[in-house]
Amino acid sequence: RKEVEQDPGPFNVPEGATVAFNCTYSNSASQSFFWYRQDCRKEPKLLMSVYSSGNEDGRFTAQLNRASQYISLLIRDSKLSDSATYLCVVNRDDKIIFGKGTRLHILP
Amino acid sequence: DAGVIQSPRHEVTEMGQEVTLRCKPISGHNSLFWYRQTMMRGLELLIYFNNNVPIDDSGMPEDRFSAKMPNASFSTLKIQPSEPRDSAVYFCASTNLGAGSLTLHFGNGTRLTVT
Repeated sequence: RKEVEQDPGPFNVPEGATVAFNCTYSNSASQSFFWYRQDCRKEPKLLMSVYSSGNEDGRFTAQLNRASQYISLLIRDSKLSDSATYLCVVNRDDKIIFGKGTRLHILP
Repeated sequence: DAGVIQSPRHEVTEMGQEVTLRCKPISGHNSLFWYRQTMMRGLELLIYFNNNVPIDDSGMPEDRFSAKMPNASFSTLKIQPSEPRDSAVYFCASTNLGAGSLTLHFGNGTRLTVT
């Protein structure tokens, strides 16, 4: 079993809609969590950190459930520019592990 | 800030040849990570260094792969001999472990094709 698992998608979503991605991690000793975004043929870039209390950055909301070992990302009022692959990332003792990513296509 | 610099951007080589990928991390960062990305396996952590010392190389696929970090501003990933299944995009990333915020800064990657 992979340490970080994500639904690969693709998610095809009309512009303006709300979309949610989920991610599960297998090692309960994992300490910190992140969402990265990767555009086609580009390098990954940090989107946001994920905190236990939940956190919001504009249209993006991230949630962490340590008991269920589950992380989520919610995108509201989606834009065409949100089309990308979203990577769930887990840090365990400074070993930074990426999920395979979920592809999102925003449709005009 | 120049960001993480990787070279070459593209490498095409024949099976059996030696390949060397290079990375210059962001100045002041104490940690460097090498990842490999393929469609099938996603981004896989190969090895990471902290203060130029290899901490975890459990992701290195086999003995054909080796990585070094002779100083804080330079790292290499070597494949010898290369095989077609090594074809992938290889990313280098740096950060400051222990500084509170953990943001990985990636280079543009090296796209390796082994024929």
